[in-house]
Amino acid sequence: DAKTTQPPSMDCAEGRAANLPCNHSTISGNEYVYWYRQIHSQGPQYIIHGLKNNETNEMASLIITEDRKSSTLILPHATLRDTAVFYCIVRVNNNAGNMLTFGGGTRLMVKP
Amino acid sequence: DTGVSQDPRHKITKRGQNVTFRCDPISEHNRLYWYRQTLGQGPEFLTYFQNEAQLEKSRLLSDRFSAERPKGSFSTLEIQRTEQGDSAMYLCASSAGTGTRKLFFGSGTQLSVL
Repeated sequence: DAKTTQPPSMDCAEGRAANLPCNHSTISGNEYVYWYRQIHSQGPQYIIHGLKNNETNEMASLIITEDRKSSTLILPHATLRDTAVFYCIVRVNNNAGNMLTFGGGTRLMVKP
Repeated sequence: DTGVSQDPRHKITKRGQNVTFRCDPISEHNRLYWYRQTLGQGPEFLTYFQNEAQLEKSRLLSDRFSAERPKGSFSTLEIQRTEQGDSAMYLCASSAGTGTRKLFFGSGTQLSVL
């Protein structure tokens, strides 16, 4: 699996957009980018995933660069509840070796 | 869909004791995963089941650890002769069997070994 690099921490003002970067320069053509969020004392929660195209759902937007070597998770209007650790993971979608490999993630602090 | 349920939420034990954790996945999910997470670190993969078959085990899963999923539904993770280094959050996750990486996690069992 491709290795990902994320900043260890970021701050964001409540109500503003939070842009969380992830570098995955060794990503292969068939590897997807996944994002999970982990609030303190809870298990990780799936947010969004994508292959090449930008994706949006009710939680966030995912912007993947054209060369696919990096991506950005966008929380359009950060709330205090978004204070959490965000993990960027890249993985092939197949039936072999099904575990996700988590790195250290980015600890996002949303401030009032 | 009641989500992934784990029991107990917290467990305190003395070094050398055996402990067992239970995970009830989302009912229609045939894939089940166990992870371990220590403070400040991301979750680390331990083992994976597809139905009742244990298909992958991490080298982190020493011989003191055993996991079962006897009827392809709930799963148990047992740690024998616990050590202080086993203190961690043990997370269970499940997913549907189509190759998706969309895992649904439980809230975990926090183990403290004294």
